[in-house]
Amino acid sequence: EPEVTQTPSHQVTQMGQEVILRCVPISNHLYFYWYRQILGQKVEFLVSFYNNEISEKSEIFDDQFSVERPDGSNFTLKIRSTKLEDSAMYFCASSEALRGGSPLHFGNGTRLTVT
Amino acid sequence: DAKTTQPNSMESNEEEPVHLPCNHSTISGTDYIHWYRQLPSQGPEYVIHGLTSNVNNRMASLAIAEDRKSSTLILHRATLRDAAVYYCILRAVSGNTGKLIFGQGTTLQVKP
Repeated sequence: EPEVTQTPSHQVTQMGQEVILRCVPISNHLYFYWYRQILGQKVEFLVSFYNNEISEKSEIFDDQFSVERPDGSNFTLKIRSTKLEDSAMYFCASSEALRGGSPLHFGNGTRLTVT
Repeated sequence: DAKTTQPNSMESNEEEPVHLPCNHSTISGTDYIHWYRQLPSQGPEYVIHGLTSNVNNRMASLAIAEDRKSSTLILHRATLRDAAVYYCILRAVSGNTGKLIFGQGTTLQVKP
């Protein structure tokens, strides 16, 4: 069964450094998402992406964050200057369609630790 | 976004059926009811969804009330591997980007 893959599984970085989290969505999917989950808290929506542009973003997704689909298969989340509070699990998801009956498929996440 | 209400936690014995309830009294006519679960240290996993009729798949069954204001996820025979947080989420059809909004979910413990 096709799946969403994320790399790396764990990333450790120093405060102020840039990080890029990578995702390969399911190949025929058109809608892409990033979520994050701080340890012990809810899964929070960050951004949705379609047709090479952001379609919606949350308040969390400030100017330090950016997303890109650099080629036909990868979908990346960049944090320009990491803060301690960016430490979290980051999940990528993709969906075939926006129909209410079309589920999101999630990767197993990248654990980002900012020191 | 229409909200859902779920119990914070439930317990079940292994090999017994589990009924996980969800209330969504403000559901609109075009909202689909989705269920996801999150096993420890993993990403959310799609379980099942429905609109009006009850649904079955290899993982679970979804029973939807006639007025659609509540639903129940049914695991027919719980296993230890089913211990997870279960999320009931409404997914609107149009006018948005298809994002899912996660609540706290129901933490299911399965006892051997």
